[in-house]
Order: sequence, then structure tokens, then C-alpha cells
Amino acid sequence: NAGVTQTPKFQVLKTGQSMTLQCAQDMNHEYMSWYRQDPGMGLRLIHYSVGAGITDQGEVPNGYNVSRSTTEDFPLRLLSAAPSQTSVYFCATRSQGLNTEAFFGQGTRLTVV
Amino acid sequence: AQSVTQPDIHITVSEGASLELRCNYSYGATPYLFWYVQSPGQGLQLLLKYFSGDTLVQGIKGFEAEFKRSQSSFNLRKPSVHWSDAAEYFCAVALNDMRFGAGTRLTVKP
Repeated sequence: NAGVTQTPKFQVLKTGQSMTLQCAQDMNHEYMSWYRQDPGMGLRLIHYSVGAGITDQGEVPNGYNVSRSTTEDFPLRLLSAAPSQTSVYFCATRSQGLNTEAFFGQGTRLTVV
Repeated sequence: AQSVTQPDIHITVSEGASLELRCNYSYGATPYLFWYVQSPGQGLQLLLKYFSGDTLVQGIKGFEAEFKRSQSSFNLRKPSVHWSDAAEYFCAVALNDMRFGAGTRLTVKP
């Protein structure tokens, strides 16, 4: 039982490159989300999904795309990386219901040069 | 605007001293409230949560938090801090989705 798995753990990109951050969960949770963590700013919500086929924007969605074709996977795509996207990215899952605990992956540290 | 505020960016306490970390929220309705802890290089771990009932909630590692509706606050407390409590602490609220405060970094002096 792996919980929430993020890959890769570290990545360096050049400005303008694209990449996909992977998030997979084996907890059968319907709710999945992506956050970025920057010093002094806490975790900011990028995109979230309440179930397969349903996604919505969070606080800072620009420059990122998501899709949710299965319950297990919720990839985050950077179409054209910018230095401002240098951050630590966390994927989180929750079961249905707003009072439920969020479970986090270990994070992906992304540097855009 | 909806927001979660943690007024203290960094707090230093001596080992054995008491601790209080502040959290205020600004939402139209009372959201569900959480406190998470993050150790260096790690993901976030839930300390406790509140969504109804007794306004004083107990969590793991000896932490507790008190919900005060009149002050829109959900402050985290611990009577006696241990060196292993040094970490970053995040208050979070869930209404339509889950939003986090900016965090409070706790340093524990020996």
C-alpha cells in the first residue's frame, strides 16, 4: 500500500521545456489536488479534481494543465516551463467529504533555469 | 476575500515551554479546519481537525486546538514543547476545496 506516489522527486528544466509531474494513489480516493509550495507562501492550490473526468482550477492555475482519466492518476503538465514555476509540488488525495484528511505525496522539487 | 492567515512566520520557544500558533480564517461560512505539520524535506502530516462539536480538539503528539467562532480562529497549542516538534506548521480550511495558510516555522531552543 504505497499511498500517494509522486514522480520524479527532482527535476531540472530549461525555460520553455514541457514536462509532466506524475501522481498516483492506491487509496481509492475521489478527490485529488496539486499544490505548489514556495517560501513564505505556504501551499497554494493549482488544480483539483473531485473524480474521474472532472477537474477545476485552484488559486494559481496559469501555466499548468491537468486531466483525470482514472481514479488513480492525476498528472500535472507544464506546457512551457518558466523560472517562476521553480517550486516544490505536492499532490494530495482525500476521500469524499470536506471533513476528511488530505494525504500528501513526498513532493517534486522542480527547478527551471 | 476568502483567506487563511497565520500571522507568525517564525516562532522560537525553549524546550519545555508552552506553545501557541495562531490561525485566522475569513470565509462566509464556518469551514472545516485542520492543522498539518511538515518536517524538513517531507510531506504534510495531519495533527488534528475540527468540523463540529466540542470546540477543543485533541490531536497527535500532544497537540490541541481551540475553535473560536466569534474570533474566526483555530489556534494550535501544546503545553510543553519537545525538540522534535521543530517543524513548519500549516493551518488549512476546507470549504469547496482545501486551502492553506502561509505556515509558521517553529524553532525549539535547548
